[in-house]
Amino acid sequence: QITLKESGPTLVKPTQTLTLTCTFSGFSLSTSGVGVGWIRQPPGKALEWLALIYWDDDKRYSPSLKSRLTITKDTSKNQVVLTMTNMDPVDTATYYCAHSAGATGSSWDYWGQGTLVTVSS
Amino acid sequence: QSALTQPPSASGSPGQSVTISCTGTSSDVGGYNYVSWYQQHPGKAPKLMIYEVSKRPSGVPDRFSGSKSGNTASLTVSGLQAEDEADYYCSSYAGSNNFDVVFGGGTKLTVL
Repeated sequence: QITLKESGPTLVKPTQTLTLTCTFSGFSLSTSGVGVGWIRQPPGKALEWLALIYWDDDKRYSPSLKSRLTITKDTSKNQVVLTMTNMDPVDTATYYCAHSAGATGSSWDYWGQGTLVTVSS
Repeated sequence: QSALTQPPSASGSPGQSVTISCTGTSSDVGGYNYVSWYQQHPGKAPKLMIYEVSKRPSGVPDRFSGSKSGNTASLTVSGLQAEDEADYYCSSYAGSNNFDVVFGGGTKLTVL
């Protein structure tokens, strides 16, 4: 079965860079059509899409956060890494990684449990 | 402020039907048949309930259905059950020149 799990720091200071790792099983990111995305959710607020990487290394970013995000994959390790620079308290959120579904990869059928990242000095 | 507009709350009694709306623009909901709906229980990850407007992933009860008219998509939950009480989020592909995915602000569904 498909599983995903996020890992990374729970607390980062303002201006620091956040690095999150998504480790998955049950599928391969070298298989045509497969993608993994990152979505976040501030406490008590709505979901927000961040980034998506496809099996062919095509990468897509939220236009509003593009300058701060980098998504990469390590197919041999079954991992996807998201980095976000210049963290701010408003970036405090639960960060999810998810397996993409559908024709465009813009929906997600399997999600990790999420990891809460707090930005505070 | 979310790109897609959802009512903050909806409610219904067990056995009833409830419809949640999701209004966007011709650049997202109205422009593509790539609307998804997610169910989220407190403290849990979202669960995909509907994708590509009206398709149900395996395992999702057929009590859940999706539709779209113009710039508004809808999720209907028929035969409400207590376990349907949750937050529901819509999302839409908003490609045009650049790939983008936008979400609604969420709707809290209460089963009375």
